[in-house]
Amino acid sequence: NAGVTQTPKFQVLKTGQSMTLQCAQDMNHNSMYWYRQDPGMGLRLIYYSASEGTTDKGEVPNGYNVSRLNKREFSLRLESAAPSQTSVYFCASSVRDKNTEAFFGQGTRLTVV
Amino acid sequence: GDSVTQMEGPVTLSEEAFLTINCTYTATGYPSLFWYVQYPGEGLQLLLKATKADDKGSNKGFEATYRKETTSFHLEKGSVQVSDSAVYFCALSAYGGATNKLIFGTGTLLAVQP
Repeated sequence: NAGVTQTPKFQVLKTGQSMTLQCAQDMNHNSMYWYRQDPGMGLRLIYYSASEGTTDKGEVPNGYNVSRLNKREFSLRLESAAPSQTSVYFCASSVRDKNTEAFFGQGTRLTVV
Repeated sequence: GDSVTQMEGPVTLSEEAFLTINCTYTATGYPSLFWYVQYPGEGLQLLLKATKADDKGSNKGFEATYRKETTSFHLEKGSVQVSDSAVYFCALSAYGGATNKLIFGTGTLLAVQP
């Protein structure tokens, strides 16, 4: 079972470059999420999507854009990367039910120099 | 807004010691509560959950009870093993906007020494 798949696993960008992090899930989940993980900060929600074609801002959306291409895929784009965006990024998905858990990808470690 | 506070680490224990990691939450509604575990280099995976007050979640010897009166969900294990070394996250899930959102604490690193 693939679950939630993120690509790439590692990436180094120069300040000002752009890139897109890809995420796909094969569990037929409606809801998908992007988090960033920083030391001492836990996981902070960047954006989420309740269904195809809808997206909402989370706690730290500035500097990011997202696209829910279809039910399976939810991408995160950095238009002009900054060193402050150096982080580990996790994609997650769940059914639309607060009583059920979210499933996470393996993460993308992004370094902006 | 909703939030989760958990004890800071690292927590260093000897094998077979008793573990407690404290977690408290603030929420306006009736959240579900979760503990996730993250092993080195991996994503998060569910350890246990509780969906209503007084529920006890348990898995792999870990337990946590949903205490509404103290807004707490402390994680406990009677005898830790080296293989339990990981980062533990307390989280709540509540409806907000069009879907449920998971709000995480800052994580607690547990290191178990043989």
